[in-house]
Amino acid sequence: DTEVTQTPKHLVMGMTNKKSLKCEQHMGHRAMYWYKQKAKKPPELMFVYSYEKLSINESVPSRFSPECPNSSLLNLHLHALQPEDSALYLCASSQFWPGPETQYFGPGTRLLVL
Amino acid sequence: AQTVTQSQPEMSVQEAETVTLSCTYDTSESDYYLFWYKQPPSRQMILVIRQEAYKQQNATENRFSVNFQKAAKSFSLKISDSQLGDAAMYFCAHNAGNNRKLIWGLGTSLAVNP
Repeated sequence: DTEVTQTPKHLVMGMTNKKSLKCEQHMGHRAMYWYKQKAKKPPELMFVYSYEKLSINESVPSRFSPECPNSSLLNLHLHALQPEDSALYLCASSQFWPGPETQYFGPGTRLLVL
Repeated sequence: AQTVTQSQPEMSVQEAETVTLSCTYDTSESDYYLFWYKQPPSRQMILVIRQEAYKQQNATENRFSVNFQKAAKSFSLKISDSQLGDAAMYFCAHNAGNNRKLIWGLGTSLAVNP
């Protein structure tokens, strides 16, 4: 079962709100990723977690705060976002990182910041 | 620098016909992996096919096959017997280097005409 789930599917938030995106996988993968995707563009890597430790932060603004509570869960905490942060946020997982393993993507959370 | 180029922003094909999407890449690594991902409108990014650079044999998955030319750094995707459900954005990607980040092309939007 190659399934990565994400909640919520859609999120609308004001610039002063605090919200969280959630991602879950039950494939036993030890690497999880957050990507940001603008319309008709490829995904942009934000964070990589390997064995629940943050391994890559692609110079993401501090208003995005990732958290990996256990090997199956990945959260992205959002605070004081800007309208330009509106995008599709994708979670992915792979067996290991770094490595040649395929990344499997969730359906994404479509975020609108007003 | 590692790059991926998809020279066809948009393509169309008649249902039941064959279409080839092009992808070229640049890397100085000898050990890398190549991927084609499909993202239907407002739907999940899914893996179509994967190729290990050390394998000479072209990967095949049902109606999807690749033409991998390592010396030319070319990795095209052929879709046979195109179906309406094949309409999507197709992204070519490779991972190489120590951190194995996915390097993405800009995508090719494929329309399938009935």
